[in-house]
Amino acid sequence: QSFLTQPPSASGASGQTVTIFCSGSSSNIEFNTVNWYHQVPGTAPKVLIFADSRRPSGVPDRFSGSKSGTSASLAISGLQSDDEGDYYCGSWDATLNGPVFGSGTKVTVL
Amino acid sequence: QLQLQESGSRLVKPSQTLSLTCGVSGGSMIRTSTSWNWIRQSPEKGLEWIGSVHHSGITHHAPSLKDRVAISLDQSKRQFSLTLKSVSAADTAVYFCASALNYDDYYYFDNWGHGLLVTVSS
Repeated sequence: QSFLTQPPSASGASGQTVTIFCSGSSSNIEFNTVNWYHQVPGTAPKVLIFADSRRPSGVPDRFSGSKSGTSASLAISGLQSDDEGDYYCGSWDATLNGPVFGSGTKVTVL
Repeated sequence: QLQLQESGSRLVKPSQTLSLTCGVSGGSMIRTSTSWNWIRQSPEKGLEWIGSVHHSGITHHAPSLKDRVAISLDQSKRQFSLTLKSVSAADTAVYFCASALNYDDYYYFDNWGHGLLVTVSS
């Protein structure tokens, strides 16, 4: 049972844009920044977005994040086969007094 | 860039203690803005933060695991460790070590180990 809720799956054709949503609460997303991670099965997650919308060095600008209220979203434009995998949102939770993760969204490129 | 690598027992018997170590290379462990974390992942619970240790020695743990968890740091050996007592099948998971950057306006995991599958079984 995750603190942050995500749809289990999302898909899009190669080259198109897919958007993933993450729903939280006033204990986490509303007053703390959101991060997004990409995980290929069998490997560790890798950060794509931190502080709601900032990209670490090396992450292409096809990935963009935004936040409003208790929800956040990640948009992937120009979808590529390498983008397949699981995407997780994350934030700090004031009740837990620690970081929390979303339930994960599996992205498939059609 | 930091590189992290988990090591330890992959099979633990129920009621016994799980012990893992994370070796750190490629950068300093004495960074004010960095904490050293353990995270686990299972199909049942997804990604779950276990706890962290700062180079100052201050530790934080997830409340659900607090009574069973200990995390320590050995800068001379460039490693940090996790012990989880009284394990059960529910503790079966892939265990990751990770560094986290913590500034005023953000906190995120910037470097991860490859992960180690630990199975609790008799």
